Amino acid sequence: GAVVSQHPSWVICKSGTSVKIECRSLDFQATTMFWYRQFPKQSLMLMATSNEGSKATYEQGVEKDKFLINHASLTLSTLTVTSAHPEDSSFYICSVNQGALDSNQPQHFGDGTRLSIL
Amino acid sequence: GNSVTQMEGPVTLSEEAFLTINCTYTATGYPSLFWYVQYPGEGLQLLLKATKADDKGSNKGFEATYRKETTSFHLEKGSVQVSDSAVYFCALSDNTNAGKSTFGDGTTLTVKP
Repeated sequence: GAVVSQHPSWVICKSGTSVKIECRSLDFQATTMFWYRQFPKQSLMLMATSNEGSKATYEQGVEKDKFLINHASLTLSTLTVTSAHPEDSSFYICSVNQGALDSNQPQHFGDGTRLSIL
Repeated sequence: GNSVTQMEGPVTLSEEAFLTINCTYTATGYPSLFWYVQYPGEGLQLLLKATKADDKGSNKGFEATYRKETTSFHLEKGSVQVSDSAVYFCALSDNTNAGKSTFGDGTTLTVKP
């Protein structure tokens, strides 16, 4: 099955820093990737759908200028948290749907990035 | 819109006990149903899935049956182990939602020796 690599796994940085998280699909080309945010002891909150070669689709309430998504190739999507502040501290997870828009296929998740803003 | 409701946790069991985590859903289309498991500090992994009514998904001793009449997909295991301690998410996806999945809130399972 598909393997998704997410990097880095843990980031600690000062307030005001911009942080880039990478999500790579290792086994197949992914036209669509998803970015989630997860707070402690809570479910996944879909932030945006990353679309290869076009703009990301953001969920309601997610600031697109704050969370920049770039999907320049079929195997890589990046999420940049710009000018991060302590309230941005969270666990960020990416996923790839192996079957593109095929609802019968599961999503394959990266191992997540723990972001801590001091 | 689509939604998934799963049993609130946390759930604490002794080793070898029987596990049930309830999951019900609402969907506008004909969804596929999934259970994912998340171990501490990790992303989610697919545990099992079912793509049509009456299908049974199974993996690692876990089972869930797609019940269209009750819109349910309850997760069961006959004898849990300490290593099953994790957070379990029920999810659905259908062709009306551009490949997105809808997740339940997760149920934390702790198995004690």
